[in-house]
Amino acid sequence: DAGITQSPRYKITETGRQVTLMCHQTWSHSYMFWYRQDLGHGLRLIYYSAAADITDKGEVPDGYVVSRSKTENFPLTLESATRSQTSVYFCASSESTMGGGRGYTFGSGTRLTVV
Amino acid sequence: QKEVEQDPGPLSVPEGAIVSLNCTYSNSAFQYFMWYRQYSRKGPELLMYTYSSGNKEDGRFTAQVDKSSKYISLFIRDSQPSDSATYLCATPSGGGADGLTFGKGTHLIIQP
Repeated sequence: DAGITQSPRYKITETGRQVTLMCHQTWSHSYMFWYRQDLGHGLRLIYYSAAADITDKGEVPDGYVVSRSKTENFPLTLESATRSQTSVYFCASSESTMGGGRGYTFGSGTRLTVV
Repeated sequence: QKEVEQDPGPLSVPEGAIVSLNCTYSNSAFQYFMWYRQYSRKGPELLMYTYSSGNKEDGRFTAQVDKSSKYISLFIRDSQPSDSATYLCATPSGGGADGLTFGKGTHLIIQP
């Protein structure tokens, strides 16, 4: 099925562990984004990518690492999870920087809890 | 100052009412504005996309941009319980190349 899928949907991990959140899109969109959503802060950009092998930091990149070896995949890794990284993580993709007439398409999110 | 400000609500109105949701933005250079709707435990989905000033209508939804006051609005006519969701305004604040900047979202409740 066409779309953008995130996995896992729910994840509980311990402080200090490395965890990777997966994002896969089937449209071959050039642009992909990772956001986190927290009460009181809304959606904040963590990292984004304009194409395979091109990534850049967003507003809150500390503690996160991304890679994009293939256009369709954009995994987000928490190198050493902290409780402050407990959040809902959304991946998004877009055919252009502005999103064109369709804006950004978001996945269903990964709810991460760090204990 | 955040680039996009939005009252988080909650905003509770009776079914059938006209709803007005609002955002303010800080940079007069912003030209593209979007409204996203987010249901509980779902990702945001694009509702309306506008450029520059003026109104854009799509069914029961109207998006309005007032560049002179840096104010954007979303109006929902004949509101339905299914409109209950969080509504987020957004703009490509860095020219779009570095993603969208979102308001914090307004939680809307339509009472049957």
